[in-house]
Amino acid sequence: QSALTQPASVSGSPGHSVTISCTGTSSDVGGYDYVSWYQQHPAKAPQLIIYDVDKRPSGVSNRFSASKSDNTASLTISGLQADDEADYYCTSYTNRRTLVFGGGTKLTVL
Amino acid sequence: EVQLVQSGAEVKKPGESLTISCKGFGYSFSSYWIAWVRQMPGKGLEWMGIVYPGDSDTRYSPSFQGQVTFSVDKSVSTAYLQWRSLKASDSGIYYCARRYMSSWSMYPWGQGTLVTVSS
Repeated sequence: QSALTQPASVSGSPGHSVTISCTGTSSDVGGYDYVSWYQQHPAKAPQLIIYDVDKRPSGVSNRFSASKSDNTASLTISGLQADDEADYYCTSYTNRRTLVFGGGTKLTVL
Repeated sequence: EVQLVQSGAEVKKPGESLTISCKGFGYSFSSYWIAWVRQMPGKGLEWMGIVYPGDSDTRYSPSFQGQVTFSVDKSVSTAYLQWRSLKASDSGIYYCARRYMSSWSMYPWGQGTLVTVSS
């Protein structure tokens, strides 16, 4: 099963916004509303920041928002802060009753 | 507080067997799927599969089917990831994570177990 496609890196200045895309197929992203996003700081375990396409777990900043259109999901981080610098991963449920990750995107806050 | 605590780092030789663990605290262990995720050195996250402690129902990613085995012991609220014959390419950090509510997402995560396979 192929990984979902994410840009390798994105960057933005403090206070600005960035968007990370996650492209799959109709067998995963396009077929289910089970896209999640994770933030991983260096040497730390991943943290869930978005689930079910656009929902935020309790305690996650509303600067994180997400959406989906057809086979592509997107994560937007607004009001960039230094601590947002991390790796971001999307996942989706698939028609094989499994999950698949994206390749990950490194966010640099300039 | 819901928490997953994983076993400590391991150093093994190729061909050796290994079992690492993931113990759940603060919730009904039998009621939530546990996922396993690999992160090879300097690389991204890979979903290995998932196991339901309630009935040991298991789903493996095609990439890991036949390479590893998931198991659980409900009596001690612990999930296990097992290798019968390690390869150098099995080196990496292995995370367990609990399914989040009824979503197919994962929260919380264990702290990770570093596995090093080297001759």
